[in-house]
Amino acid sequence: DIQMTQSPSSVAASVGDRVTITCRASQAISSWLAWYQQKPGKAPKLLIYAASTLQSGVPSRFSGSGSGTDFTLTISSLQPEDFATYFCQRAHSFPLFGGGTKVEIK
Amino acid sequence: VQLVQSGAEVKKPGESLKISCQVSGYSFSNYWIGWVRQMPGKGLEWLGIIYPGDSDTRYSPSFQGQVTISADKSINTAYLQWSSLKASDTAMYYCARRTTAMAFDYWGQGSQVTVSS
Repeated sequence: DIQMTQSPSSVAASVGDRVTITCRASQAISSWLAWYQQKPGKAPKLLIYAASTLQSGVPSRFSGSGSGTDFTLTISSLQPEDFATYFCQRAHSFPLFGGGTKVEIK
Repeated sequence: VQLVQSGAEVKKPGESLKISCQVSGYSFSNYWIGWVRQMPGKGLEWLGIIYPGDSDTRYSPSFQGQVTISADKSINTAYLQWSSLKASDTAMYYCARRTTAMAFDYWGQGSQVTVSS
């Protein structure tokens, strides 16, 4: 079975920091990857699809890259509203989510 | 685009339940609607998905036979149901619209299901 592994599981950062989150698929998935942000008590929000395409309305400090098995989500300059949990998802007819990365205040 | 889910439910083990997701702002028949579970303090798990246009339904192997997904085009509503709840079904359940890029772009607010004796 395919697995989606995110790392780190949590990261402590300060406002203004550059933050990078990694997602690894156990089998190649081309560019079929999406990233979501979830804040406590809220539904997930789509940030990026097709590995690197920014969803409409999402700030340009978010970017995604990668293809095949290794993907990254980068926040270029962390803002107070970015402290949240981030999930990757194999964008497939049978979707699969990564375990999540919690971005916490340092 | 809006997906509005039914409210919180508290049920006993063995009881049945059907929760709903009513959509507006787009053509309900033309987009797949998926259901996602989030257990307390945990990550996201995909349960299954339905295409309301023809009711084509797919289930995660982990949830096949455990839940039933359906849709009613006449009222733009998708459903997730259980015939016999277990305590382990306690979770937040989200519906979400799937795009052609296979990502979920619009989400409901979530329906909290609590199963306790």
